[in-house]
Amino acid sequence: AQTVTQSQPEMSVQEAETVTLSCTYDTSENNYYLFWYKQPPSRQMILVIRQEAYKQQNATENRFSVNFQKAAKSFSLKISDSQLGDTAMYFCALTSGGSNYKLTFGKGTLLTVNP
Amino acid sequence: DTGVSQNPRHKITKRGQNVTFRCDPISEHNRLYWYRQTLGQGPEFLTYFQNEAQLEKSRLLSDRFSAERPKGSFSTLEIQRTEQGDSAMYLCASSLTGTSGDWHTQYFGPGTRLTVL
Repeated sequence: AQTVTQSQPEMSVQEAETVTLSCTYDTSENNYYLFWYKQPPSRQMILVIRQEAYKQQNATENRFSVNFQKAAKSFSLKISDSQLGDTAMYFCALTSGGSNYKLTFGKGTLLTVNP
Repeated sequence: DTGVSQNPRHKITKRGQNVTFRCDPISEHNRLYWYRQTLGQGPEFLTYFQNEAQLEKSRLLSDRFSAERPKGSFSTLEIQRTEQGDSAMYLCASSLTGTSGDWHTQYFGPGTRLTVL
């Protein structure tokens, strides 16, 4: 069974500052993929960033980057230069072939960016 | 490419009624997933299709729930004899299959919010 744990239910950051959201996971698979999704209030789930477990290099997408620590089974998301539009629920998710590629989600972290 | 669409966006029904939701995936995507999301929680897997075949169902999917994907295109999720505990957001997602991460990335629709009175 796969599990994903997000230990920070809520976080806040000032506009233009940097914030890091934490995620730990557990899987017995060797080949798996990790994702961060963003769900703004009353809006749909949007992919933020993806990391393939076989890649050592941390993924980056503009202001978003991850710190993937495979041995520690840790996958944190760093948001630089936070913007008001980054206010949302952020979900960490895991998938693998052994699970038919269905996503296992954490409970989410509600991020509020303050002006 | 218009993304994943879901209809209706909102559904209010009385306990005991049947409801049906529709999902239209991204056109070239052969995998389609249904998830349920309750307030303050992450989505939970319900079922998935590869083309027209339903390959896995969660234990969350009681016998009151049925899903279809005729011809491997759109999918429907039906809930019979709805209960108040069925109130949730029902999300649909689609993806390709292959050997790289891009192939297994799921793209979500806006969801159908069900309220059972």
